[in-house]
Amino acid sequence: TQLLEQSPQFLSIQEGENLTVYCNSSSVFSSLQWYRQEPGEGPVLLVTVVTGGEVKKLKRLTFQFGDARKDSSLHITAAQPGDTGLYLCAGVETSGSRLTFGEGTQLTVNP
Amino acid sequence: GAGVSQTPSNKVTEKGKYVELRCDPISGHTALYWYRQSLGQGPEFLIYFQGTGAADDSGLPNDRFFAVRPEGSVSTLKIQRTERGDSAVYLCASSLQGAKNIQYFGAGTRLSVL
Repeated sequence: TQLLEQSPQFLSIQEGENLTVYCNSSSVFSSLQWYRQEPGEGPVLLVTVVTGGEVKKLKRLTFQFGDARKDSSLHITAAQPGDTGLYLCAGVETSGSRLTFGEGTQLTVNP
Repeated sequence: GAGVSQTPSNKVTEKGKYVELRCDPISGHTALYWYRQSLGQGPEFLIYFQGTGAADDSGLPNDRFFAVRPEGSVSTLKIQRTERGDSAVYLCASSLQGAKNIQYFGAGTRLSVL
């Protein structure tokens, strides 16, 4: 079973600060996805990265896939209270169609 | 409906009872997934359907858990002889074709076993 480790598990910052969340694995995934989940809701897909070294930007969010396709990072610039939520990375396994999720990073942005 | 619908949204049961959780996927989505999310954790894969058949049920924790999708649309996750450790949010997702396409998640069913 492939595992994904996310860090940090909890992050509490002030509005306007920058932050980075990391997602690491010892195994290669065919692609990696980042989700955001709010209380009482299911995860919502933010981005999919496929190619090693790929960088994608979504407004103030920057996603990067490692060259070896084993790790990824999410960087948020000038965080806002609306960014508060649980951020999950998920790997798509090369052998099947299941998603393997990390433990999540609970982000709180204080006004 | 427009999204994945799960019912009930909350279910409270007693240890040893049988429960059924329902998932209504997005119309036309052939793939359906069940995940379990414990408090403070990421979702954990349980089972994946492609059409009516279970293509991968390796995530089911034991034989008390069973899922069906008889007509290739609505799915039911069934848990027999519930235990307190089964308490979690059970999430359902659907997609057009496998996980290479986007999986759309429902809001989940929060199961509490007393």
